[in-house]
Amino acid sequence: QSVLTQPPSVSAAPGQKVTISCSGSSSNIGNNDVSWYQQLPGTAPKLLIYDNNKRPSGIPDRFAGSKSGTSATLGITGLQTGDEADYYCGTWESGLTTWVFGGGTKLIVL
Amino acid sequence: QVQLVQSGAEAKKPGSSVKVSCKASGGTFSNYTVNWVRQAPGQGPEWMGRITPIIDIAYYAQKFKGRVAITADKYTNTAYMELSSLRSEDTAVYFCARGLKEMGTLWGDVFDIWGHGTMVTVSS
Repeated sequence: QSVLTQPPSVSAAPGQKVTISCSGSSSNIGNNDVSWYQQLPGTAPKLLIYDNNKRPSGIPDRFAGSKSGTSATLGITGLQTGDEADYYCGTWESGLTTWVFGGGTKLIVL
Repeated sequence: QVQLVQSGAEAKKPGSSVKVSCKASGGTFSNYTVNWVRQAPGQGPEWMGRITPIIDIAYYAQKFKGRVAITADKYTNTAYMELSSLRSEDTAVYFCARGLKEMGTLWGDVFDIWGHGTMVTVSS
């Protein structure tokens, strides 16, 4: 059981928008930056968002991150079938002095 | 563009050790950290620890302290993760991942460039 809580799955139609939540506490999200990772089946995770809302070079602006208090959100607009993947949030957990990931959210593009 | 090339799949017996390598191809680790993250079948990623090769300092997640050793050879741009006293629960894909930020802090760095993963199977 992860200290970061994500919904097991979300779904939306192509072209629509979806949001994925990541809920934590003051010892993790509340006091540390959040990053988001996309994992396509059988591949390594890929960095999508870091420092709550920054995109690495090459990540389209369809992906956006935000943070408020002890929760973070990943938003994806203009959904494409290629966006079907598992999405993980991650941050530093100060109490356990370790990096932690959420349990993951499976995005289904209907 | 730097790529991380990992060693091949391993099959191990309970109680034994495994050592996985991660070589930077097309570049160097430079001032970046190298992290090790594992993922058991059907589970989310789990961070094991990291090393900053240029200063040869490693940090381990509490869960793995005493059982894992992360080392690096800055001259060959290769990092290693050795896990001992293997048990069936250690069956997982093991990834190396380079930090995004030069000399990134434990709490502020993120995992930018990932290796392809090494499957480690522990079974009697």
